[in-house]
Amino acid sequence: DAGVIQSPRHEVTEMGQEVTLRCKPISGHDYLFWYRQTMMRGLELLIYFNNNVPIDDSGMPEDRFSAKMPNASFSTLKIQPSEPRDSAVYFCASSLQQYRNQPQHFGDGTRLSIL
Amino acid sequence: GDSVTQMEGPVTLSEEAFLTINCTYTATGYPSLFWYVQYPGEGLQLLLKATKADDKGSNKGFEATYRKETTSFHLEKGSVQVSDSAVYFCAQGGSEKLVFGKGTKLTVNP
Repeated sequence: DAGVIQSPRHEVTEMGQEVTLRCKPISGHDYLFWYRQTMMRGLELLIYFNNNVPIDDSGMPEDRFSAKMPNASFSTLKIQPSEPRDSAVYFCASSLQQYRNQPQHFGDGTRLSIL
Repeated sequence: GDSVTQMEGPVTLSEEAFLTINCTYTATGYPSLFWYVQYPGEGLQLLLKATKADDKGSNKGFEATYRKETTSFHLEKGSVQVSDSAVYFCAQGGSEKLVFGKGTKLTVNP
């Protein structure tokens, strides 16, 4: 079975540019999570969706960050404008019935570098 | 709020040594508990899980037992290999999201 698919795997861009990260969850999963991982802060939950609806975006660092899930098979995380401190690895994860203590399945991440 | 505390790394061992990575949680009730592993350049992968007290999760020679009385879920392996070098995360469920520990980096030398 296909796992969680993220694109691109690597992104290098200059500060001020718009960045869009993409995620395809595992088919049938009803929860989708976006995380950010850095050496300084570790793994941080940014936002999560249930049945395409954003449930908790309290981890989104600033208004420059936005996330959408237009359908069950696709989500985007957008940063506009980007800043060097946004450099990190961004992970998408999905799960089925998370409230039933199910595990999350992670993609391989997007390594983002803002110059 | 709920939190997970795991031993700080890094941990460096020789091949075939015994491994223990401590993990304690603070949730009330009976959350599911998980260990994830992250190899360099990859996402987190589920290593094992336990869903109720006294359950033992196991996979690839790793084991962890859900101890309600000590609110712990320590990860153990009897004989580590170089290929086990990775970052290990303890996590608890029980709601719509997982709570992760900060991760413990393990390096196994030949």
